[in-house]
Amino acid sequence: DIQLTQSPSFLSASVGDRVTITCRASQGVSSYLAWYQQKPGKAPKLLIYAASTLQSGVPSRFSGSGSGTEFTLTISSLQPEDFATYYCQQLNTYPRTFGQGTKVEIK
Amino acid sequence: EVQLVESGGGLVQPGGSLRLSCAASGFTFRTFWMSWLRQAPGKGLEWVANIKEDGSEQYYVDSVKGRFTISRDNAKNSLYLQMNSLRAADTAVYYCARDRWTDYWGQGTLVTVSS
Repeated sequence: DIQLTQSPSFLSASVGDRVTITCRASQGVSSYLAWYQQKPGKAPKLLIYAASTLQSGVPSRFSGSGSGTEFTLTISSLQPEDFATYYCQQLNTYPRTFGQGTKVEIK
Repeated sequence: EVQLVESGGGLVQPGGSLRLSCAASGFTFRTFWMSWLRQAPGKGLEWVANIKEDGSEQYYVDSVKGRFTISRDNAKNSLYLQMNSLRAADTAVYYCARDRWTDYWGQGTLVTVSS
């Protein structure tokens, strides 16, 4: 199975900060990588797919980059509603796997 | 508006069975792969299984192979997950999702496996 490792696992940041989360794959997944945001008690929400394509309706402060084994999710200016847990997922190979998550909390 | 509504969760004893359902609306169900995913309490996300548009292909995570069966009824716009030989480790919120980059998720249904 492909292992996805997110770093950091926990991030404390302030409103307005630029935030970057990294997702590293144990083997190449081409661009078959997605990013999700999850708030407590809610279903995950797709933010980015195909590594860098912004899902419709998602604010432009979110962006994704990378291919192969290293990917990043960037929030250009953190907003109060962005405090949540973020997950990457590879959809290149079965079983599809997720990173362990990155919790973004208010500093 | 795309809507996915899961049902069928509950408390079941180890070794028991449960059938989850997912009612889909707001899109042409028969033209999309569909997935089940789960999240154990306080833990991360896990992909469980998916099924092709016409039901002819299914894929599973190893931990549920031989115990869980994903199926669909395109006439009823419904997705199912038959879960047999349930274990405590299967305790989780189960989500159905549209499989195009997992772009739409239901609200989830809680399955608790405990004696």
